Amino acid sequence: AAGVIQSPRHLIKEKRETATLKCYPIPRHDTVYWYQQGPGQDPQFLISFYEKMQSDKGSIPDRFSAQQFSDYHSELNMSSLELGDSALYFCASSLKSFQPQHFGDGTRLSIL
Amino acid sequence: GESVGLHLPTLSVQEGDNSIINCAYSNSASDYFIWYKQESGKGPQFIIDIRSNMDKRQGQRVTVLLNKTVKHLSLQIAATQPGDSAVYFCAEISTSGSRLTFGEGTQLTVNP
Repeated sequence: AAGVIQSPRHLIKEKRETATLKCYPIPRHDTVYWYQQGPGQDPQFLISFYEKMQSDKGSIPDRFSAQQFSDYHSELNMSSLELGDSALYFCASSLKSFQPQHFGDGTRLSIL
Repeated sequence: GESVGLHLPTLSVQEGDNSIINCAYSNSASDYFIWYKQESGKGPQFIIDIRSNMDKRQGQRVTVLLNKTVKHLSLQIAATQPGDSAVYFCAEISTSGSRLTFGEGTQLTVNP
């Protein structure tokens, strides 16, 4: 079965640079979620979209923004990158809310 | 505030034994819970879910028990196999149906 696809899998940036992470949800899934997972930590919710509209917002820095496009894929844009932004970034998708969220294998972002 | 936590950070079992992973939650309004398995370098993988109108749900080799009186959740894995070695998270869906709040995770190690 098709899963959530994230790209790139690995990304290395320097401080103050920008990064764009992409997420392609499972076909027919209309809701996309972004999570950040630091080393040895549990995933922390950043933001979600339902039918291209922001549906919930968590602990996402103002330097980050995201959107969901008409084909339901989503992008997480990160600017003025800081060392503390080094983490795994996961995207998940679901068919509507209160349904299981299925995760991609993440983008490992390293800030030098 | 809302929180979901696990009692033990690590659990080591022998192959073929049954495993029990526990989770406590604090939001009595929570009505949907999910167990995830996360292997190194991969995203959380959906195992099983349960809604608050149930106290038990079974899957293939896994059973989730929900005790709403004491706000406790457990995952039972029957005949644990080396491939079950991973970090296991319980997660709670927010009342909006969007964000997942994860517990701290339990590292399950299965010894051959």
